[in-house]
Formats: sequence, structure tokens, C-alpha cells
Amino acid sequence: DVKVTQSSRYLVKRTGEKVFLECVQDMDHENMFWYRQDPGLGLRLIYFSYDVKMKEKGDIPEGYSVSREKKERFSLILESASTNQTSMYLCASSPRTTVGFFGPGTRLTVT
Amino acid sequence: AQSVAQPEDQVNVAEGNPLTVKCTYSVSGNPYLFWYVQYPNRGLQFLLKYITGDNLVKGSYGFEAEFNKSQTSFHLKKPSALVSDSALYFCAVRGPSGGYQKVTFGTGTKLQVIP
Repeated sequence: DVKVTQSSRYLVKRTGEKVFLECVQDMDHENMFWYRQDPGLGLRLIYFSYDVKMKEKGDIPEGYSVSREKKERFSLILESASTNQTSMYLCASSPRTTVGFFGPGTRLTVT
Repeated sequence: AQSVAQPEDQVNVAEGNPLTVKCTYSVSGNPYLFWYVQYPNRGLQFLLKYITGDNLVKGSYGFEAEFNKSQTSFHLKKPSALVSDSALYFCAVRGPSGGYQKVTFGTGTKLQVIP
């Protein structure tokens, strides 16, 4: 079975902390993605990666960075967390041209 | 720019009745269209997709969707709703070029099936 896992289901951090969200896929997919999901706004793409060490900005990259050192792992980094980054974060992976497979999500609260 | 509209924030339907969740899109060229479902506190699960071919697409859990090019719509349907279908449904679209990073998601429609 296809599997995308995320390191935490729920996370509470303080303003100004550095936050790491980890995502691992076991399908040998080239592409990996980070989205945030907010009520009334749907899913918005933060960053994606199409190969190891390769990354591209999505629609809302400000305040975030990413790292992909291995094909199966894609990390989202909040350099200095702020309250407006409280959200549900979804990781996905896909082969080159087909649908994405999503992880269960990490609900991050920044206080 | 491409876009997806899900005009209803919530749809209520009685168990056993047919259900429809609406989606319209705007994209240059032939669209790739998708439906996803999200159960509470879970990630998105793929339901079905349209790329080319038959306008009626069948997917998981008894769902189907009808592609209508003239109306630029891709409504999700099911003949008989189950209480377990209650969830958040997302429509998504991308154009013919580019990869999955070019997918645009709608804002979601909450489906409530009433016993």
C-alpha cells in the first residue's frame, strides 16, 4: 500500500521557535509537496521538490524553507514560527505526471 | 490563471438520497480534473480523476463525476448517500502542461449525510 507519513499529528510551538515538519514516502516518487490547509482557503502550495536537493517555491513560500537530502524525505522548516502559521500542514508525493498521495497531516498551533 | 470554484460550503443530504457536490473550473487548454475526500483529522484521499475520454468517470466508494466541457463543470455524484460519506470534499484542476505542482484546489465542500 502507498504510504506517506508525517512525523507528528499535532504540534504546539511558541512564537519565534524553529519548527521542523518531516515527511517520508515509501513509493520512490520523484515529486514531493508541502501544502497548508486553512478553512475557506482550501489547500495552498508552499513548496515542492522534483528531485533530491531540488526545490521550487509554491504559492505561499514566505516564512518557510524546505530540505530534501534523500528521495524519500521532505522537510518543511519554519525558521521563526509566528501565530499566522497556525494551520494544518499536508505533505504529498507523486510520480511525475499523476495524482498526489497525501499524508495524514500535522496540525500546528503556534502560541 | 486557473481556478476552481466549489460554490457550496456545505451540502446536507438524507441517507439513501442521491448526492451532488458541485465544482466549476477555469483553465487554459484541456483540463485534468480531480476529486479528493478528507475525513476528520485525516489527509486527503484520492477519489477519481478525469483526463480524457468518457465524460462520466467512476471512482472509489461508489462515487462518480461528470465532466461537462461547455459548462466547465465536474460535479461529484453518488446515487445513494451513506452516513459514512460525511466528509470534506475537494475538487482540483490543472492544465495540460506542467506536473502535479500546477494543481489548484478548491476551497472544499462539507458533505453532511443525515441518518
